[in-house]
Amino acid sequence: GENVEQHPSTLSVQEGDSAVIKCTYSDSASNYFPWYKQELGKGPQLIIDIRSNVGEKKDQRIAVTLNKTAKHFSLHITETQPEDSAVYFCAAKTGDMRFGAGTRLTVKP
Amino acid sequence: EAQVTQNPRYLITVTGKKLTVTCSQNMNHEYMSWYRQDPGLGLRQIYYSMNVEVTDKGDVPEGYKVSRKEKRNFPLILESPSPNQTSLYFCASRRGNSPLHFGNGTRLTVT
Repeated sequence: GENVEQHPSTLSVQEGDSAVIKCTYSDSASNYFPWYKQELGKGPQLIIDIRSNVGEKKDQRIAVTLNKTAKHFSLHITETQPEDSAVYFCAAKTGDMRFGAGTRLTVKP
Repeated sequence: EAQVTQNPRYLITVTGKKLTVTCSQNMNHEYMSWYRQDPGLGLRQIYYSMNVEVTDKGDVPEGYKVSRKEKRNFPLILESPSPNQTSLYFCASRRGNSPLHFGNGTRLTVT
């Protein structure tokens, strides 16, 4: 089955810097790659997603890139703000969704 | 407001005492699923349901049961909870290939 690895497990950046979280997946048939943000006491919420026929997608300060050949995808957050502090999960979907272990991002003011 | 509602949010129980965590969605989604979240392991799927009266095992189904008698409800049942089921549980739903919508979680402690 699909296996998703996510790095780093923790990330601390200064406000205004960029943050990058990387994921690799094992099943070349995976065709949908969402990213979720989980704030304290809440469930994960979708922030951006990308399908396998697209290499990059951007939404304001957030972007996701996908390299199907290397089977990895990344989340890029530019101009980070303290409210970006949360746990971020990547996921890959063939039949069902498989999640990475999560990255705890801390943005220091 | 479109949402997935889980109850209770927090639960402390003892080994062997049957419990049920309820999940309800008001979006008419066919697909519903339960996950557990543990440090360093991310979200692991327990059970899922493609539609009413259809349920399937996920990656970690041992010790859990589910039922899907109505489209909106998908309760998670622990017949005889054990301490290794102490975790943060999330219910989620979606329509077709749309993204998952998650509830706010249930933190379960089994002593």
